[in-house]
Amino acid sequence: DGGITQSPKYLFRKEGQNVTLSCEQNLNHDAMYWYRQDPGQGLRLIYYSQIVNDFQKGDIAEGYSVSREKKESFPLTVTSAQKNPTAFYLCASTKGQAGSYEQYFGPGTRLTVT
Amino acid sequence: AQSVTQLDSQVPVFEEAPVELRCNYSSSVSVYLFWYVQYPNQGLQLLLKYLSGSTLVESINGFEAEFNKSQTSFHLRKPSVHISDTAEYFCAVSDPRGTSYGKLTFGQGTILTVHP
Repeated sequence: DGGITQSPKYLFRKEGQNVTLSCEQNLNHDAMYWYRQDPGQGLRLIYYSQIVNDFQKGDIAEGYSVSREKKESFPLTVTSAQKNPTAFYLCASTKGQAGSYEQYFGPGTRLTVT
Repeated sequence: AQSVTQLDSQVPVFEEAPVELRCNYSSSVSVYLFWYVQYPNQGLQLLLKYLSGSTLVESINGFEAEFNKSQTSFHLRKPSVHISDTAEYFCAVSDPRGTSYGKLTFGQGTILTVHP
């Protein structure tokens, strides 16, 4: 059964700690994305990667970091520099080829930092 | 740069009534358009998309959307809603050119609440 998995579903951390959110896909997609969702603000792009070992900043990259060492995996680290990290984080992927623009989403991770 | 505006943050309706969720976009180039649906505490699911061809696109569960280039709109409609349609709906656009392909710009979302 192909899809995107994100773990854990709920994550709690103390302020000042870095935390890494997992995203794995078995769809053989080239491109992967991280979004942050806050009530009333839609989805905002944090980072994206269109190929292994390469990634670009999205609209709100400050305080976040990513890596793309394998095609299937695109972990997101929320660093202590992120001023307001509590949010719902969504990972997505797409084939990355011309004509295939549909993004597939994971179930999300809700991060709470206190 | 592209932007998407969903004109209503919340839309309450009664069951079996028709509904329209409005979406306008701004872009200097041709775009691809999408509607996604999100149920509470879940990821987004694609509802329907417009890439080219017929300006009226339909989903398998009775929703439809019409691409209107002159008005830069992609409104979502359903003639008769069910309780199970209660969810948040997102309109999104994608620029298919060059290195931007695949990137989506989302609207702020519209919460549809269907009352019995």
